Amino acid sequence: KAGVTQTPRYLIKTRGQQVTLSCSPISGHRSVSWYQQTPGQGLQFLFEYFSETQRNKGNFPGRFSGRQFSNSRSEMNVSTLELGDSALYLCASSFVQGVRNEQFFGPGTRLTVL
Amino acid sequence: DQQVKQNSPSLSVQEGRISILNCDYTNSMFDYFLWYKKYPAEGPTFLISISSIKDKNEDGRFTVFLNKSAKHLSLHIVPSQPGDSAVYFCAASATSGGSNYKLTFGKGTLLTVNP
Repeated sequence: KAGVTQTPRYLIKTRGQQVTLSCSPISGHRSVSWYQQTPGQGLQFLFEYFSETQRNKGNFPGRFSGRQFSNSRSEMNVSTLELGDSALYLCASSFVQGVRNEQFFGPGTRLTVL
Repeated sequence: DQQVKQNSPSLSVQEGRISILNCDYTNSMFDYFLWYKKYPAEGPTFLISISSIKDKNEDGRFTVFLNKSAKHLSLHIVPSQPGDSAVYFCAASATSGGSNYKLTFGKGTLLTVNP
């Protein structure tokens, strides 16, 4: 069974640009969560999607948005990039909602903002 | 405000000995705790979890202990193996507090197991 895949793996952007990251969950998984990992803050929850609907959102500005498609694939968008957005962005999928259901993480997308 | 704290950024242990990784939390609503392991260039992988109704959970070489009164949990790895060298993240969730979807992570502890 293929794991969670994220594309691209690495990305370099400049301030003010926007970026779209993609996450393909494990087949059959309907919940996709996104996390941002930085050295200073560790892993922080961005948002969670289930059945094409954003169910939950963390404490991030509106520049961070996402969506989920009918095949459960998810995209995350960051507009008007800032230097502080440089981070590893991880997505995780699970069969159903709820952290008591094992979440499987992808390898992440490393975003560098210059 | 760091609700989950891993105060040791790194830990070095000899192969065959016990590794003890510690985690403290401040949110009394947390009732479900997990440990993840992360190798470079890979996403975190689930290791073991514990519900607040228990004080110990064991899975092979891995045991997690929970001390609710101290708001402290620890992960014991016995015996430690070189392949255990990775960053270990402690995570918590308030599953009965309406935050069943969200994990709050610590900043991680880099474990190095020396042959």
